[in-house]
Amino acid sequence: DTEVTQTPKHLVMGMTNKKSLKCEQHMGHRAMYWYKQKAKKPPELMFVYSYEKLSINESVPSRFSPECPNSSLLNLHLHALQPEDSALYLCASSHSRGEKLFFGSGTQLSVL
Amino acid sequence: GQQVMQIPQYQHVQEGEDFTTYCNSSTTLSNIQWYKQRPGGHPVFLIQLVKSGEVKKQKRLTFQFGEAKKNSSLHITATQTTDVGTYFCGRPFYNQGGKLIFGQGTELSVKP
Repeated sequence: DTEVTQTPKHLVMGMTNKKSLKCEQHMGHRAMYWYKQKAKKPPELMFVYSYEKLSINESVPSRFSPECPNSSLLNLHLHALQPEDSALYLCASSHSRGEKLFFGSGTQLSVL
Repeated sequence: GQQVMQIPQYQHVQEGEDFTTYCNSSTTLSNIQWYKQRPGGHPVFLIQLVKSGEVKKQKRLTFQFGEAKKNSSLHITATQTTDVGTYFCGRPFYNQGGKLIFGQGTELSVKP
């Protein structure tokens, strides 16, 4: 199994809503990532987890809250988002930090 | 700084023509990774270059790593419509938790 599975594929939420994005991999990878991608731009790193511990937070606003319940799962909890947070949110994993990334198909998020 | 500069931003070619994208860094790279993102898709790992002067081939794709390990290129011979997408280079920062930062990407369109 070389897949990273993300749900949901699409999400529309209001600025007062709370929602969660989910990511799962069963490749035994110990590093997991959240990236944000705007149209015509490269993926922009948000968070890195290594061995289920948060190792990098790229100064992401607190309205984004990551969680790694176990080595296969990664969540991104969303609360009080702004319209400018609308983007494609990509989860990725790698065997260890710095190695090649396997990306999920992403969640296209629209904040109204 | 942290950026890898990638050029050109866009390239439009006639099917059968060649295509090249370049990544340049002001500092020496440990290694460089290349990814392809199809329209509406997610980034997919293509290759990693590690050694100074390294050249790797994947069918019509040729990847090079400069002697000084500060630049890299991806060359596609005789483009096909299946080559359409955005090509990103990515550099890992092992002294910053192994995070991977992407270049701005080169969007390739191929006219049949």
